[in-house]
Amino acid sequence: GDSVTQMEGPVTLSEEAFLTINCTYTATGYPSLFWYVQYPGEGLQLLLKATKADDKGSNKGFEATYRKETTSFHLEKGSVQVSDSAVYFCALPNTGTASKLTFGTGTRLQVTL
Amino acid sequence: DTGVSQDPRHKITKRGQNVTFRCDPISEHNRLYWYRQTLGQGPEFLTYFQNEAQLEKSRLLSDRFSAERPKGSFSTLEIQRTEQGDSAMYLCASSLRGTGSYEQYFGPGTRLTVT
Repeated sequence: GDSVTQMEGPVTLSEEAFLTINCTYTATGYPSLFWYVQYPGEGLQLLLKATKADDKGSNKGFEATYRKETTSFHLEKGSVQVSDSAVYFCALPNTGTASKLTFGTGTRLQVTL
Repeated sequence: DTGVSQDPRHKITKRGQNVTFRCDPISEHNRLYWYRQTLGQGPEFLTYFQNEAQLEKSRLLSDRFSAERPKGSFSTLEIQRTEQGDSAMYLCASSLRGTGSYEQYFGPGTRLTVT
């Protein structure tokens, strides 16, 4: 079945550092791919998405490129801020009926001054 | 712009009691999903509705769990005879079938604590 593997956290960075959170997936076909962010005590917010191979999703300074050759969708940001501290989830929809989302286990990011 | 709302935000109950959660999706969305999230994990799919029809249920949804979406708008998730293992965050999400990108929009969740 479909699956998502994320790098384990926590990731601790100083403000203005470069961020990479790795995500690889296993799926039939070429599904859309998503990054969601969860701030403490809140639900999930869609951060960015890519709908086909080689697409780059971007939002709020974050970027991720859909690489079908390596089945990866790594999240990057050039300069993190304290306000980026959160848990980040990579996800893909079921390629059959496009119903449920399959999530990775999440990567906690802590940004310090 | 009203997003997905859930009620209550927090629920503490004693083992063996029944609880019911409500989700109001984004108004034009025809698909509604329930997920469960335990500490340190990603959300796990429980069930989903297209309009009022419940189209898929996970193995995680034991017979103590039931979900409804009677008029294709809001949904309720009921847990009967709660157990400590039911303690989790219950997330609701909605989407619009036919957009082609399959993104889902989540509510703030209901955190259940079973004592």
